[in-house]
Amino acid sequence: SAVISQKPSRDICQRGTSLTIQCQVDSQVTMMFWYRQQPGQSLTLIATANQGSEATYESGFVIDKFPISRPNLTFSTLTVSNMSPEDSSIYLCSVKGQGAILNTEAFFGQGTRLTVV
Amino acid sequence: AQTVTQSQPEMSVQEAETVTLSCTYDTSENNYYLFWYKQPPSRQMILVIRQEAYKQQNATENRFSVNFQKAAKSFSLKISDSQLGDTAMYFCAYSTDSWGKLQFGAGTQVVVTP
Repeated sequence: SAVISQKPSRDICQRGTSLTIQCQVDSQVTMMFWYRQQPGQSLTLIATANQGSEATYESGFVIDKFPISRPNLTFSTLTVSNMSPEDSSIYLCSVKGQGAILNTEAFFGQGTRLTVV
Repeated sequence: AQTVTQSQPEMSVQEAETVTLSCTYDTSENNYYLFWYKQPPSRQMILVIRQEAYKQQNATENRFSVNFQKAAKSFSLKISDSQLGDTAMYFCAYSTDSWGKLQFGAGTQVVVTP
């Protein structure tokens, strides 16, 4: 399995500011994924982060609002920019498992609970 | 576009009893993967069980089993001998590839009562 560490685990931020969330994996992975889980809702994919190339964003998400970095095969950051209360959500990092058995399984970090006031 | 539908917002079950969660999906793909994830209050997403579409045999993992009906595009989860620790939100998820990109249903809150 993959062990994923996300930081911070929670934060309360002022509107108009930005927050950068870090995701560290204990093994090298090709793709990393960022999801948003709005209060009481399901998970929605924000973007796929590949090392060495621009992130691929899903419909409804843009790079200016959610810039992503992927400097190496074990680390990624997601920034939530110019925050508003509507950005209050749990943000989760995910990676695909490695190996013949685990490569169809996604592993998740513990999530970052963001509250914008 | 693929969609995943969970029509039961909440299910309550007594300890030691059995509960079945429903999930339907829409896809034009022939090969894909289906998952049930559990999210307890800790927020950690935990894989409960997975099913490859090309496998006809239903997956089983201890007290958890699925009823996979490919033609009907149905993927239900049965929790047997429910335990208090099973209380969590359960998400059905679909993936059309092996890259780890998932599409989730709305979730079903399972509450196990003593």
